[in-house]
Amino acid sequence: GAVVSQHPSRVICKSGTSVKIECRSLDFQATTMFWYRQFPKQSLMLMATSNEGSKATYEQGVEKDKFLINHASLTLSTLTVTSAHPEDSSFYICSAPTTGELFFGEGSRLTVL
Amino acid sequence: LAKTTQPISMDSYEGQEVNITCSHNNIATNDYITWYQQFPSQGPRFIIQGYKTKVTNEVASLFIPADRKSSTLSLPRVSLSDTAVYYCLVGGGYGGATNKLIFGTGTLLAVQP
Repeated sequence: GAVVSQHPSRVICKSGTSVKIECRSLDFQATTMFWYRQFPKQSLMLMATSNEGSKATYEQGVEKDKFLINHASLTLSTLTVTSAHPEDSSFYICSAPTTGELFFGEGSRLTVL
Repeated sequence: LAKTTQPISMDSYEGQEVNITCSHNNIATNDYITWYQQFPSQGPRFIIQGYKTKVTNEVASLFIPADRKSSTLSLPRVSLSDTAVYYCLVGGGYGGATNKLIFGTGTLLAVQP
């Protein structure tokens, strides 16, 4: 089946630094990718929809200047958490749809000290 | 977007059949019903998808009544490794789904020995 890969799986950074998370569709082209955030013991919350070649669409309450999304190719979308703070610590998950099914990456655990 | 309602948690024992019901009263005509499984610190994994009546695959069955306002995921003879959170989502669909999917609370299934 289709595979979506995320990198890094875990990252620890200091407060104020920026962190980039990559999401790749390995065996299919993804014109759209979704970025979710998940806090402990909570459900996945959709942050934004990434569209290849155009600007991302952010959900209400998600700061677009803090969570920069780039979808430069049909197989790669990136999420950059800028000037990260401890409250940004979370599990970030990307997903891409193909043939009616949504495939998820393995997730990236961000810890901001 | 259709909202889903599921029990927060369920308990079962190994070898039992588990049925998790999801309510989605506002499902749209072109919405499909998809169930995902998520283990801690992993991305969700596709279990099964259906539109109406009954769908069965190697791991589960999905029962959808005629009015499609609810659905039931059936897991036959669960094992300890089935302990996970199960999410019911409506939306998307076959043919290259690009509609964003909103996650509900999910159901935490705890399987006891």
